[in-house]
Amino acid sequence: DQQVKQNSPSLSVQEGRISILNCDYTNSMFDYFLWYKKYPAEGPTFLISISSIKDKNEDGRFTVFLNKSAKHLSLHIVPSQPGDSAVYFCAATDYNAGNNRKLIWGLGTSLAVNP
Amino acid sequence: NAGVTQTPKFQVLKTGQSMTLQCAQDMNHEYMSWYRQDPGMGLRLIHYSVGAGITDQGEVPNGYNVSRSTTEDFPLRLLSAAPSQTSVYFCASSPRTTGRRTGELFFGEGSRLTVL
Repeated sequence: DQQVKQNSPSLSVQEGRISILNCDYTNSMFDYFLWYKKYPAEGPTFLISISSIKDKNEDGRFTVFLNKSAKHLSLHIVPSQPGDSAVYFCAATDYNAGNNRKLIWGLGTSLAVNP
Repeated sequence: NAGVTQTPKFQVLKTGQSMTLQCAQDMNHEYMSWYRQDPGMGLRLIHYSVGAGITDQGEVPNGYNVSRSTTEDFPLRLLSAAPSQTSVYFCASSPRTTGRRTGELFFGEGSRLTVL
């Protein structure tokens, strides 16, 4: 039973346009959400996060939106660049995890940004 | 700038063999963990450690052992490899954090293990 779902396995966008990656979760105890980016043959790297006390967090070209009532978050990349082509993972945790860092991961969305 | 270093990057084992995947970090991180990544399953936590001498089980611990004798090292041992353990293994670490900023993990490059 997937608690964190990324329903789109892949996404293709044109360079310069917006990329929107979606993530849904089922556990209402989750209160911290993260996006990781992964290139082939490398480990995931942290991209951006958001706490449940916020509905938006922005870092340069990357913005994450959180809709708690819908249990939905999205990652917006504007403008998209070819170097953004990677697999993007959504992950979530709840405060009770404390120092355990028990992240629950989605299956990932493969983003291709075409020149 | 070593960060999290995993060795070996590739390994082929026969069923029943044992081996150790090594993980070392040079960032003085308290928290270390091992994940496996399988197609259609995402990343799953195997074992983790919140400090030297302290380890605990994750979601899928069976068939794996860990120890944490130093802050820097967190080896993962497969005692008797099985084909079901064919996977890509990632080691990750995280510094001690305050407040609610949990979960920002630093990953190694991964170790691809095939068990025949």
